Amino acid sequence: GDSVTQMEGPVTLSEEAFLTINCTYTATGYPSLFWYVQYPGEGLQLLLKATKADDKGSNKGFEATYRKETTSFHLEKGSVQVSDSAVYFCALSAYSGAGSYQLTFGKGTKLSVIP
Amino acid sequence: GAVVSQHPSRVICKSGTSVKIECRSLDFQATTMFWYRQFPKQSLMLMATSNEGSKATYEQGVEKDKFLINHASLTLSTLTVTSAHPEDSSFYICSASSLRGELFFGEGSRLTVL
Repeated sequence: GDSVTQMEGPVTLSEEAFLTINCTYTATGYPSLFWYVQYPGEGLQLLLKATKADDKGSNKGFEATYRKETTSFHLEKGSVQVSDSAVYFCALSAYSGAGSYQLTFGKGTKLSVIP
Repeated sequence: GAVVSQHPSRVICKSGTSVKIECRSLDFQATTMFWYRQFPKQSLMLMATSNEGSKATYEQGVEKDKFLINHASLTLSTLTVTSAHPEDSSFYICSASSLRGELFFGEGSRLTVL
């Protein structure tokens, strides 16, 4: 079946440091790829997405490129802020038949940014 | 963007009681809704998929009689945790799939069973 593997945390960075959270996937067909963010005490929010190979998703300074050749979708940000402290989930969406799509999540990576 | 409302956001109940969590799509019709459970320090686990007007499809290992799912309309799905026990304490999240296949998440419901 489909699966998503992302680097284990927690990750602790100083403010303005460069962030990379690795994510690789296995899937049949051509999935869409997502990064979700969960801030403390809140639900999931979509951070960015890419629907086909070589697409780059970007939002709030975060970027990720859909790399089919390496089956990866690594999340990057050039300069993190304290407010970026959250849990980040990599996910893929694949068509599961009957007009519906199913998400498969990675385990999540907790990011803590210290001043 | 589309909004999915989940209620209640927090609930505390006594062991043996039942708890109902609602998931509503506020500005779109959701042909399919999904229920996830999030364990501490672990990933989201898909519990079941529900399509409006039909029985939910449960993932392997999820007890159907324990977690009752009803999707009575295109904008509402409910998850009822029956005879809750402390091990059912968790964060439950719903998502709704629009007719275009986009997924939108609820805010989640934290259940604590005493």
